[in-house]
Amino acid sequence: SSELTQDPAVSVALGQTVRITCQGDILRSYYASWYQQKPGQAPVLVIYGRNNRPSGIPDRFSGSTSGTTASLTITGAQAEDEADYYCNSRHSSGNPVVFGGGTKVTVL
Amino acid sequence: QVQLLQWGAGLLKPSETLSLTCVVQGGSVSGYYWTWIRQPPGERLEWIGEINHRGSTNYNQTLKSRLTMSADTSKNQFSLKLSSVTAADTAVYFCARVGSGGDPSATPPFDYWGQGTLVTVSS
Repeated sequence: SSELTQDPAVSVALGQTVRITCQGDILRSYYASWYQQKPGQAPVLVIYGRNNRPSGIPDRFSGSTSGTTASLTITGAQAEDEADYYCNSRHSSGNPVVFGGGTKVTVL
Repeated sequence: QVQLLQWGAGLLKPSETLSLTCVVQGGSVSGYYWTWIRQPPGERLEWIGEINHRGSTNYNQTLKSRLTMSADTSKNQFSLKLSSVTAADTAVYFCARVGSGGDPSATPPFDYWGQGTLVTVSS
């Protein structure tokens, strides 16, 4: 399957840890990238590759993969982390790029 | 610091052609792939296609018949045309750079994004 599946929403208490998952068969072949999108703004890359953060992304963001599931973990969530998070992956056939449906993270 | 600045018509009638351009500031079009992504209101991101400075393209199969992408190295910019638009093409359109994942198994990341352009198709 070329689909990437994410939970629609998750909530986390301020300062606690939240894990956002992305499930898809294509993740056996490629590490996902993760994007944070706040309302009315362009997405921002937060994690790519095995577990790489672009410059300027806080180290409370981390990524991991197990089998067909990629995870984005926010350790010690802050109010400014409230956003939609999207995973994406390359695909070896059909459309080269697919996105997950997004997970809305609410920080309580 | 690479910045992408995009522009184009925001209101179209059905059957018209959507046309957007993205200029690369603080970097070069050469050496990278450049991509277009759209997001219908309240929906997920959708990959449209990509192009490099030589004009090599990869397109979303569902949009391929209506898509044309081009790159102009002299102006350091790249463009998107989508013909015969309908209401289903209403979305915020983003341009972005396809960066290096640093690993053959890494999905090449979209590391720099334009500000987005809302395109509305309505009669």
